[in-house]
Amino acid sequence: GAGVSQSPRYKVAKRGQDVALRCDPISGHVSLFWYQQALGQGPEFLTYFQNEAQLDKSGLPSDRFFAERPEGSVSTLKIQRTQQEDSAVYLCASSLGTSGGTGELFFGEGSRLTVL
Amino acid sequence: GDSVTQMEGPVTLSEEAFLTINCTYTATGYPSLFWYVQYPGEGLQLLLKATKADDKGSNKGFEATYRKETTSFHLEKGSVQVSDSAVYFCALRHSGNTPLVFGKGTRLSVIA
Repeated sequence: GAGVSQSPRYKVAKRGQDVALRCDPISGHVSLFWYQQALGQGPEFLTYFQNEAQLDKSGLPSDRFFAERPEGSVSTLKIQRTQQEDSAVYLCASSLGTSGGTGELFFGEGSRLTVL
Repeated sequence: GDSVTQMEGPVTLSEEAFLTINCTYTATGYPSLFWYVQYPGEGLQLLLKATKADDKGSNKGFEATYRKETTSFHLEKGSVQVSDSAVYFCALRHSGNTPLVFGKGTRLSVIA
């Protein structure tokens, strides 16, 4: 597709349920990032992939959060046993290259998770 | 660790008014600096960037200058339009594919 695609756009889960959020990056983009954006806050980094390798997962808030990108393209963020504090918009971003900090990140529209 | 501080919003301006959104940062070394914009119902989009001291980024009438001496990257526009209403995020990033570090965002509302 032309841009980063995320699904579902909206997800309501009961506390304790598992959820899976999907990100389809721009074709050919090597780098993929997940961010969490709470209401009224800026995005907070969760994890980073270069192709299929998860190079940084320092931002994942607990071991209930798990991300994968098995074929170096589509990525899934899974949250197990959801809690109310997990309610947020989850943003996915991709970029073309692997080197340098000046490469533009292209963001999807996000998946809004509400945990009841 | 690295951090970005933006002026708190919301900011409400009349059309054609001058806009300044302040942004300062704390970081080691020489990060690249960015402004991202989020229009209602849309994803984050890169507005402009600057990669080294004294660089000026510009786009769609917006400008920001990388000021190392004051660790600032203030966003300015001479004459805002209703269509500029959005949330603006200042961010920094080091080289080597480190993640973007964002400020909390500043909501701008422009009224006709």
